[in-house]
Amino acid sequence: DVVLTQTPSILSATIGQSVSISCRSSQSLLDSDGNTYLYWFLQRPGQSPQRLIYLVSNLGSGVPNRFSGSGSGTDFTLKISGVEAEDLGVYYCMQATHAPRTFGGGTKLELK
Amino acid sequence: EVQLVESGGSLVQPGGSLKLSCVASGFTFSNYWMDWVRQTPGKSLEWIGEINTDGSKTNYAPSIKDRFTISRDNAKSTLYLQMSNVKSDDTAIYYCTTTYFDYWGQGVMVTVSS
Repeated sequence: DVVLTQTPSILSATIGQSVSISCRSSQSLLDSDGNTYLYWFLQRPGQSPQRLIYLVSNLGSGVPNRFSGSGSGTDFTLKISGVEAEDLGVYYCMQATHAPRTFGGGTKLELK
Repeated sequence: EVQLVESGGSLVQPGGSLKLSCVASGFTFSNYWMDWVRQTPGKSLEWIGEINTDGSKTNYAPSIKDRFTISRDNAKSTLYLQMSNVKSDDTAIYYCTTTYFDYWGQGVMVTVSS
């Protein structure tokens, strides 16, 4: 199975600060169809996961544009440009290029 | 408004069986592949499997293959997860989601314990 390693595991930030989360894959996530099936999710406390980003850099419906995704191959990054209180929770990356789909271990974003 | 509502979670003994349901509304259910994902207590997410639009094709994670079965009833807009020979490691919150992961249910708790 593809292993996704997220760093850091815990991220402390102040409101308004810009932060980044890394997701590294044990294999390239570039599919033979030319797409890279890398997703980012946010799970707020007590809630279901919410999709933020799909295909590396595409913003999900209704997701604020302070979120952005980048990367290719095995290295990917989620950036939040100006953290807001509603952004606190656990962030997960997920790959759907290789079977079975796998998730990263999560990055908890908390207030400093 | 898109809604996915899971039900059927409970306490079940090791070796037992349980069937989860997920009722969909607000979109054309029969047009979407659907997935099940679970989250063990205090841990990350684990993909369980998926089913195609007419229910003729399924794919599963190796960790649950041959014990869990995904099915659907498009006439009822309902997705199912039949769990058999459950183990303590299957204790988790189970979510149904569209295969693009853009919509998730609220989750249902399954506890495997004697």
